[in-house]
Amino acid sequence: GENVEQHPSTLSVQEGDSAVIKCTYSDSASNYFPWYKQELGKRPQLIIDIRSNVGEKKDQRIAVTLNKTAKHFSLHITETQPEDSAVYFCAAPGGGADGLTFGKGTHLIIQP
Amino acid sequence: NAGVTQTPKFQVLKTGQSMTLQCAQDMNHNSMYWYRQDPGMGLRLIYYSASEGTTDKGEVPNGYNVSRLNKREFSLRLESAAPSQTSVYFCASSPRPGIVGNSPLHFGNGTRLTVT
Repeated sequence: GENVEQHPSTLSVQEGDSAVIKCTYSDSASNYFPWYKQELGKRPQLIIDIRSNVGEKKDQRIAVTLNKTAKHFSLHITETQPEDSAVYFCAAPGGGADGLTFGKGTHLIIQP
Repeated sequence: NAGVTQTPKFQVLKTGQSMTLQCAQDMNHNSMYWYRQDPGMGLRLIYYSASEGTTDKGEVPNGYNVSRLNKREFSLRLESAAPSQTSVYFCASSPRPGIVGNSPLHFGNGTRLTVT
């Protein structure tokens, strides 16, 4: 089955700086890579996703890049704000049907 | 349109007790899932159901059973709770059956379970 590794486990950045979270996956057939944001005590919510036919996707301050050859993908957040503080999870196909296998999460802390 | 609804929100059980976590979705999704979330472990799949009438094991199925009651509802049962099952449980659904890993999951708000 799919194995997803996520780094770092904790990331602290100054407000206004950029943050980058990286994930690797094992199954070269994987073709869909979403990112979820989870605020404390809340459910995970999709913030951006990318399919394997593109290398980059942007949505305002967030972007995701995909390198299929190296089997890794990254989340980029620019001009970080206090509301970006949360745990972020990457995922890749796995777990049956349309299921996803998740990385272990990155706790992003935005320092004022 | 409520999305994915889970009940209860919180539960405390004693070791050996049983309980059922309920999940319902109103988005007409075919696929439904149960995940557990533990600190530092991310989200791990317990069971899933690709369609009404079918269920399959995920990564961590031991100690759990599921029932896909109809297209809307997917329940998770703990027959004899153990402290290792203390966790936050999330139900999720997916809109596009049959297309592996190509659609987002929609999560419920979670059930926080403590087993003493």
